[in-house]
Amino acid sequence: GAVVSQHPSRVICKSGTSVKIECRSLDFQATTMFWYRQFPKQSLMLMATSNEGSKATYEQGVEKDKFLINHASLTLSTLTVTSAHPEDSSFYICSASRSGAYNEQFFGPGTRLTVL
Amino acid sequence: GIQVEQSPPDLILQEGANSTLRCNFSDSVNNLQWFHQNPWGQLINLFYIPSGTKQNGRLSATTVATERYSLLYISSSQTTDSGVYFCADGGLTGGGNKLTFGTGTQLKVEL
Repeated sequence: GAVVSQHPSRVICKSGTSVKIECRSLDFQATTMFWYRQFPKQSLMLMATSNEGSKATYEQGVEKDKFLINHASLTLSTLTVTSAHPEDSSFYICSASRSGAYNEQFFGPGTRLTVL
Repeated sequence: GIQVEQSPPDLILQEGANSTLRCNFSDSVNNLQWFHQNPWGQLINLFYIPSGTKQNGRLSATTVATERYSLLYISSSQTTDSGVYFCADGGLTGGGNKLTFGTGTQLKVEL
C-alpha cells in the first residue's frame, strides 16, 4: 500500500510554455500533498503544501503565480509551471500524507523537467 | 526551523561491508523518517522511526530523540544499496506536517 504516482516522468518543453504535472495517491486518500524541487546532488526543497479543497501554502521564495497548485480531490494534486524558463528545469517530486496520527509521507517517482 | 545534518556526505563501500549513517538535528525530533533515493530519483521509505530501534532485513535504524540523532545501519551491503540516503523530520504529530530533509549521504557500493 501507499503508492504515489506522478505523470509525466519526463517532459521537455520550449521556453514560455506551461507544463502540468499530476500527482496521484493510488491506494489511499491523501489529506495533504507536498511538492518538492531537487537540484542535482542536492537535497529536496519543499515548494508548497497542498490540502484538498483549499489553497496551497507556499514556502518562502516560491512564486505562487509561477507554480500553480491545485488539490482537487483526496487522490489528486497538480503542479503547473507557468511560462517556463530554462531556470525552471529541475526534478520535481510530490509526496502524499495519509490522515491519522502518523506523519509518514510517501513519494512519487518524480518528474524531470527540461525547459529549452 | 530545524537543521538536519547527515554524515558522512559521501561513502564508498566494498560489497559485503557494513556501514553506519548518522543524522543530527538542531532541535527536538518528532516524526523521523529514513529514505533511500535510488539512481532513478525515486524515494523509497525505509523507516518511520520517531524513537527506538527498528530492523528490516539488512537495514536497521535507531533514533535517540532526547539526544537529537538517528542512525541507519546497513549490513552486508550490496550494489543495489547505492544511492542517496536521506533522513527527514516531520515536526509535531498531527498529520500533514512538512518534512525537513537532511543533507543526504551519497553511498556507492562497489564489487
